[in-house]
Amino acid sequence: GDSVTQMEGPVTLSEEAFLTINCTYTATGYPSLFWYVQYPGEGLQLLLKATKADDKGSNKGFEATYRKETTSFHLEKGSVQVSDSAVYFCALSIQGAQKLVFGQGTRLTINP
Amino acid sequence: NAGVMQNPRHLVRRRGQEARLRCSPMKGHSHVYWYRQLPEEGLKFMVYLQKENIIDESGMPKERFSAEFPKEGPSILRIQQVVRGDSAAYFCASSPTEHHGGLEMYFGPGTRLTVT
Repeated sequence: GDSVTQMEGPVTLSEEAFLTINCTYTATGYPSLFWYVQYPGEGLQLLLKATKADDKGSNKGFEATYRKETTSFHLEKGSVQVSDSAVYFCALSIQGAQKLVFGQGTRLTINP
Repeated sequence: NAGVMQNPRHLVRRRGQEARLRCSPMKGHSHVYWYRQLPEEGLKFMVYLQKENIIDESGMPKERFSAEFPKEGPSILRIQQVVRGDSAAYFCASSPTEHHGGLEMYFGPGTRLTVT
């Protein structure tokens, strides 16, 4: 079945460090890919998305590129801030399936 | 445009009681989804509804759980005879009638259910 595997957490970095959170997927069709962020005590917010191979999603300094050949959608940010501390979820949706399949989430803590 | 609204935000129930969770989708959205998040895990799909119809309930436990989205009013997720294993965060999401650029969902803040 369709699935998403994320890098194990938690991840702790210092402010201004470079961030990579790995995400790989398995899908029977041609999925759209998403990163969602969950701040403490809140629901999920869409961070970025990509709908086809080689698309790059970007938002708030975060980027992720849809790599079909490696079935990956790694999240990157060049310089993290304390306010980026949250749980990050990679997810996919299959055309017509009308639901998201989530990875297990990666908890990110940024220290000043 | 108000976001997806859920209430209550926190719900405590004793074993054997019923839990009712409510979700009001974003204005103009007619697709509602329920997800469950167990502690330290990702979200798991439960059910997808449109107005007055259950479209996909493949993620719903076969017993004690039910969902509805009536013509008027919020969507309701109902859990009968709750057990400790039902303790989780339940998130509702909605999406617009027409999808562009891939399925994009908007999530509510969640209801955190604790069963004592």
